[in-house]
Amino acid sequence: AQKITQTQPGMFVQEKEAVTLDCTYDTSDQSYGLFWYKQPSSGEMIFLIYQGSYDEQNATEGRYSLNFQKARKSANLVISASQLGDSAMYFCAMRGTGNQFYFGTGTSLTVIP
Amino acid sequence: DTGVSQDPRHKITKRGQNVTFRCDPISEHNRLYWYRQTLGQGPEFLTYFQNEAQLEKSRLLSDRFSAERPKGSFSTLEIQRTEQGDSAMYLCASSPSSPRAGGEKLFFGSGTQLSVL
Repeated sequence: AQKITQTQPGMFVQEKEAVTLDCTYDTSDQSYGLFWYKQPSSGEMIFLIYQGSYDEQNATEGRYSLNFQKARKSANLVISASQLGDSAMYFCAMRGTGNQFYFGTGTSLTVIP
Repeated sequence: DTGVSQDPRHKITKRGQNVTFRCDPISEHNRLYWYRQTLGQGPEFLTYFQNEAQLEKSRLLSDRFSAERPKGSFSTLEIQRTEQGDSAMYLCASSPSSPRAGGEKLFFGSGTQLSVL
């Protein structure tokens, strides 16, 4: 069975500081993809970053980087230089070989000015 | 690329009524997904189409729920005899099947917020 665990219901970060959002996953698939999505209060899910299970290097997209530790089955999101607009819900997700996507329960991030 | 479009944005209905939601995916995307999201939770998978074929259905999808994608373009999700527990955000997402075309990720619509009174 596929499972995504996000253990931080809420996080606070000072503007311009970096923050790490935790994500662990469980799967028996050899090939899978890991994703992070941002959901602002408007409700739309916005894709942030993707990591394939066979990618040897950690993915980066601008201020977002994914700290992928395959042996620990973790895929933490690092946001550098936080901005007020980063305040939102963040969801970790996984796609297995069946093309179904599984989401965690999310972390609410609040950026403090 | 106009994005994934969902209609309506909000729907209020009385218990026992039927409701239908529509999703227009990004035009060149052949995969279409429906998810349900309740407050404080992540999206839960409901069903998935590749072109017009419904390839997977979640066990969460009771007999009151049905989804169609008749021509492999837009999709509809119908809930019959709505119950208060059906109140949620219903999200539609699409993706191309080719990883080179971005098939690694889902592109989401803004969702339809259903309230059952």
